[in-house]
Amino acid sequence: DTGVSQNPRHKITKRGQNVTFRCDPISEHNRLYWYRQTLGQGPEFLTYFQNEAQLEKSRLLSDRFSAERPKGSFSTLEIQRTEQGDSAMYLCASSLEVSRAIQETQYFGPGTRLLVL
Amino acid sequence: TQLLEQSPQFLSIQEGENLTVYCNSSSVFSSLQWYRQEPGEGPVLLVTVVTGGEVKKLKRLTFQFGDARKDSSLHITAAQPGDTGLYLCAGGSDYKLSFGAGTTVTVRA
Repeated sequence: DTGVSQNPRHKITKRGQNVTFRCDPISEHNRLYWYRQTLGQGPEFLTYFQNEAQLEKSRLLSDRFSAERPKGSFSTLEIQRTEQGDSAMYLCASSLEVSRAIQETQYFGPGTRLLVL
Repeated sequence: TQLLEQSPQFLSIQEGENLTVYCNSSSVFSSLQWYRQEPGEGPVLLVTVVTGGEVKKLKRLTFQFGDARKDSSLHITAAQPGDTGLYLCAGGSDYKLSFGAGTTVTVRA
């Protein structure tokens, strides 16, 4: 399977605990994105990487959230001191930038569903 | 806050019927994408439209992009139970996608 993979698929944690999610993009893709989706809503952009550089962070990404892509391949998203409002599906997507003039296709992983008790 | 408004929010139809879902925005996008998402899974791209007035057909699915590149529609002919899912539109601006809240389509056998 050469698609985007995410681990774990599900995570249940208690309020105040830290959690870390992993995303493995399609191997040749240089861009990687994190989105958050809550029930009844579409995905909302959190942040994106061009290779290992984090180029934009949404205002949705509070100080408790940190994302890394250390070698320009897989990425991790960590949430510190989780709150009940962090419960959501966290989606990762990747794409290959071909040209600034072309909107490249973003391929999504299956997501990590987080439940904070 | 979603920049893209999708309607209806829910749609339930009988197998064999046709359906249309809509996606509207006050913003102009360089491209618009339609995704289908099943429960517990990530969105899967159906089509990308980039030119105002463009119409694309994918088997029983017809996608239209408005002339002003602010709105789009998805029409499904002779719907099947396998078409059941959450249909999301997303506006593209450089690298970032802005999604609508989606239309949940249920096709009853």
